[in-house]
Amino acid sequence: QLQLQESGPGLVKPSETLSLTCTVSGGSISSSSYYWGWIRQPPGKGLEWIGSIYYSGSTYYNPSLKSRVTISVDTSKNQFSLKLSSVTAADTAVYYCARLKVAAHNFDYWGQGTLVTVSS
Amino acid sequence: NFMLTQPHSVSESPGKTVTISCTRSSGSIASNYVQWYQQRPGSSPTTVIYEDNQRPSGVPDRFSGSIDSSSNSASLTISGLKTEDEADYYCQSYDSSNHDVFGTGTKVTVL
Repeated sequence: QLQLQESGPGLVKPSETLSLTCTVSGGSISSSSYYWGWIRQPPGKGLEWIGSIYYSGSTYYNPSLKSRVTISVDTSKNQFSLKLSSVTAADTAVYYCARLKVAAHNFDYWGQGTLVTVSS
Repeated sequence: NFMLTQPHSVSESPGKTVTISCTRSSGSIASNYVQWYQQRPGSSPTTVIYEDNQRPSGVPDRFSGSIDSSSNSASLTISGLKTEDEADYYCQSYDSSNHDVFGTGTKVTVL
């Protein structure tokens, strides 16, 4: 059974860089059938797609966040990572990693999510 | 980029039917698959409909999805409403640049 697990600091200071890693187990991140994505959800609000990456390293970012986002993949560790720079309180959210089917763009497996709070 | 707009909330009694709309602001709704996710409080979203109208294994056939090109919208219908269906529901689709978009979300309340 595929599992995804987010990890990283739960508290980040304003203006600093948020860094999270998603570890994939029970399957290979190098499959040609899937992208790997990051989604976030501010407290009490809706879901927002941040960006996705293919195992080859091709990336796709939300235009509204593109200037601050970097997603990378490490196939040797079966992990992919998110960096979001110059964070503010508006970036406080639960951050999810998920698997995305290339053909239909269905997010079919999700991590449990991790709350990241931006505060001094 | 386009937007997907959903009603903020819907409510209905057990056993009844609710339909949630998802309207695409630009581009054809039929051009890219639409998915629907259920999210219960404190949990990650799970797929209830994918590829417009397909149900994952384990999702009851009370859940169905459709596309209406005339209104440029997708719909999720839940029939025979149960208390366990009370949750937030999100539609999701994408564009030709592989940019994914989630709908604004709908809270379903079972009275």
